[in-house]
Amino acid sequence: DSGVTQTPKHLITATGQRVTLRCSPRSGDLSVYWYQQSLDQGLQFLIQYYNGEERAKGNILERFSAQQFPDLHSELNLSSLELGDSALYFCASSPRGQGADGYTFGSGTRLTVV
Amino acid sequence: DQQVKQNSPSLSVQEGRISILNCDYTNSMFDYFLWYKKYPAEGPTFLISISSIKDKNEDGRFTVFLNKSAKHLSLHIVPSQPGDSAVYFCAASAYQANNLFFGTGTRLTVIP
Repeated sequence: DSGVTQTPKHLITATGQRVTLRCSPRSGDLSVYWYQQSLDQGLQFLIQYYNGEERAKGNILERFSAQQFPDLHSELNLSSLELGDSALYFCASSPRGQGADGYTFGSGTRLTVV
Repeated sequence: DQQVKQNSPSLSVQEGRISILNCDYTNSMFDYFLWYKKYPAEGPTFLISISSIKDKNEDGRFTVFLNKSAKHLSLHIVPSQPGDSAVYFCAASAYQANNLFFGTGTRLTVIP
């Protein structure tokens, strides 16, 4: 157990629907990152939060949004889902929000859009 | 634009031999590099890192080499074990940058 908890582990939904992925960071970590891994692709950075505030944005679609709550857990909301959104979504956390700290990853949520 | 590249999607090695995984980067601002290992149905886990002030870092069977002039790093695993079979991701970060840039991964298979 890495200490980063992601729920649900698997999600199957239809096109056009909206889903919410949840992440609880490792105890003491203030920063949360969301990454998407599509088939045969690397880990694509979506967005980072640090202590409740958005800190960096990557290739996140406008249909996607995220937030970090006062208890530091984070949610990634995906709406108007398309087949191409099927992917593994990873959450990671780090103590200070700097890349060189290294991340602790959760085990991911596998989203399948049908 | 992929700033961190792992050009070999897969690698097969006999148990006991050396595994060499390669990674290239394009951003000269990167100064910290990490390798992560990922097993199926699990998230990536940190393996080893290297700062740009070094050209080599060793941790047990794992050694990372950095060639800044070539913008190239490699991970050596000696001796390779079946339990090393996994996907290996190279990642890079710039000084005080917020996030890591990951490569596409190399699937290592160690054959018993």
